[in-house]
Amino acid sequence: DTEVTQTPKHLVMGMTNKKSLKCEQHMGHRAMYWYKQKAKKPPELMFVYSYEKLSINESVPSRFSPECPNSSLLNLHLHALQPEDSALYLCASSQDPAGAQNTEAFFGQGTRLTVV
Amino acid sequence: ELKVEQNPLFLSMQEGKNYTIYCNYSTTSDRLYWYRQDPGKSLESLFVLLSNGAVKQEGRLMASLDTKARLSTLHITAAVHDLSATYFCAVDRIQGAQKLVFGQGTRLTINP
Repeated sequence: DTEVTQTPKHLVMGMTNKKSLKCEQHMGHRAMYWYKQKAKKPPELMFVYSYEKLSINESVPSRFSPECPNSSLLNLHLHALQPEDSALYLCASSQDPAGAQNTEAFFGQGTRLTVV
Repeated sequence: ELKVEQNPLFLSMQEGKNYTIYCNYSTTSDRLYWYRQDPGKSLESLFVLLSNGAVKQEGRLMASLDTKARLSTLHITAAVHDLSATYFCAVDRIQGAQKLVFGQGTRLTINP
């Protein structure tokens, strides 16, 4: 099973709403990631969790709040977003956070977020 | 700061032809990845290249890595329409955790 599952697949939210994106993997991977991808652009790293601890925050605005409740789950809490935050949000996982062994990252299908 | 550059960014080719996509990166890394993305879809892992001189092939696609030149290539042989997609290379930096930096992507269109 090399699947990373993201829900919901599509989300439309107002600028005053609070919503959450969810990501789940059952591959025993110990690193999980959030990426943001704008149309016709490459994915950009937002956050990295390593062994359930936040290890990298790429200067993401505080209206995005990540959470890793356990080794299989990763959430992204959204609050007071702006229209320019509309994008495809991709979750990924990899086996070894230090990258010493298998370094391949597997991506979920993404959540297409529209902020109105 | 690690930078990853692909060229060309757009490629339109006919079925049956061969072509190569290039990926240059700016700082030392021994690990390079190729992904495919169809419109509106997620990223599909194609190749993981972990050492200098690594060459991997899958069907009509072949990827190679030259860490001394900081260059990877993705070669397409006898292209078919199904290979139309955007192809990204990515390089990682280990900073306590793996951090992928992507190239701009090459949008490949294969015409009958």
